[in-house]
Amino acid sequence: GQQVMQIPQYQHVQEGEDFTTYCNSSTTLSNIQWYKQRPGGHPVFLIQLVKSGEVKKQKRLTFQFGEAKKNSSLHITATQTTDVGTYFCGGSNYKLTFGKGTLLTVNP
Amino acid sequence: NAGVTQTPKFQVLKTGQSMTLQCAQDMNHEYMSWYRQDPGMGLRLIHYSVGAGITDQGEVPNGYNVSRSTTEDFPLRLLSAAPSQTSVYFCASSSRGPGANVLTFGAGSRLTVL
Repeated sequence: GQQVMQIPQYQHVQEGEDFTTYCNSSTTLSNIQWYKQRPGGHPVFLIQLVKSGEVKKQKRLTFQFGEAKKNSSLHITATQTTDVGTYFCGGSNYKLTFGKGTLLTVNP
Repeated sequence: NAGVTQTPKFQVLKTGQSMTLQCAQDMNHEYMSWYRQDPGMGLRLIHYSVGAGITDQGEVPNGYNVSRSTTEDFPLRLLSAAPSQTSVYFCASSSRGPGANVLTFGAGSRLTVL
């Protein structure tokens, strides 16, 4: 079945440093979605990428979808303490399969 | 607009007991699903439904039953709880699905089985 791998599992940064999480699928995806889950909260949708090579930005967050539509990344520039949480990618090929997530902690 | 509502938020069961986790959405979404979240395991799909009267198994369906009699409700039943079912459960819905549109998650139900 479809597998979605996400690395790293954990990332600790100093406030102001950049952060990147990577997502790789075993199969070609129709789209990929990114969610953020704050500690003790529930996953909240951030963005969906559909096109090969697509790049989308949300303020300090940059999302990329690979040319082969099998990988994706989320990059945060100049992290803030409000960025703390777990970031999940969800790869879609009819069913949405999530990676295990990257837990980001930020030292102020 | 409440979105996706899950009840209860917390529940403690003894091994062998049964219970139902409730999920209701008021967005007229056709697709609904249940995930469990365990430390280091991410979100794993238990069961899903693409419309009233239609359900299917996800990645980890054993020990769980679902039904979808209305568009709004998608309860998850544990017939005989086991300690391995200790987890946080999330219900999620989308207007198209399962993968085409984005998921709206409920706040979660934390279940402990002793």
